[in-house]
Amino acid sequence: DAEITQSPRHKITETGRQVTLACHQTWNHNNMFWYRQDLGHGLRLIHYSYGVHDTNKGEVSDGYSVSRSNTEDLPLTLESAASSQTSVYFCASSPTMTENTEAFFGQGTRLTVV
Amino acid sequence: LAKTTQPISMDSYEGQEVNITCSHNNIATNDYITWYQQFPSQGPRFIIQGYKTKVTNEVASLFIPADRKSSTLSLPRVSLSDTAVYYCLVGFHNAGNNRKLIWGLGTSLAVNP
Repeated sequence: DAEITQSPRHKITETGRQVTLACHQTWNHNNMFWYRQDLGHGLRLIHYSYGVHDTNKGEVSDGYSVSRSNTEDLPLTLESAASSQTSVYFCASSPTMTENTEAFFGQGTRLTVV
Repeated sequence: LAKTTQPISMDSYEGQEVNITCSHNNIATNDYITWYQQFPSQGPRFIIQGYKTKVTNEVASLFIPADRKSSTLSLPRVSLSDTAVYYCLVGFHNAGNNRKLIWGLGTSLAVNP
């Protein structure tokens, strides 16, 4: 069965370190998204991609970057981790251009920056 | 400022019908309304999507009035396994006509025996 997987599921890192969260999907979807989820804010879009070599900024993109070298993967990099980036991160993919459609989410990565 | 509004929490009992309403002023003409369900330590899962009037699938119904400024997710005969957070999702055009997707803060539904 097709799926979307995130790794690691849990990560603790120190302030200032570079961290990369992996996202891999086997749906063969062109569209992939990264969200963060925090209490009181719901889900907020960080970055998204509509295909290989395409990346776009979401509403909370500062301090994050993504790259899309193939259809299956969209890794999220925190250039210099900050305590404000402690959160649960979700990757999603969808078959259509906009994220306001049926998207398939990963299990999430809980990141703690100390 | 465009936003969606949902009740923070709801309580119900097994076998009852549950209706969760989401308000979404300034919804864009071409936007659909989508609802997701989320269990603890899991990603959101798609439930249902609609544009206007009524949509029904095997797990829920979605009612959207003519003005589309709100929507109601209806869960028939809930069970304990329906205890979860339910999110309403719509897209907005802000003042600069840039598209921005707004997730609601979610409604935490507790189903009691």
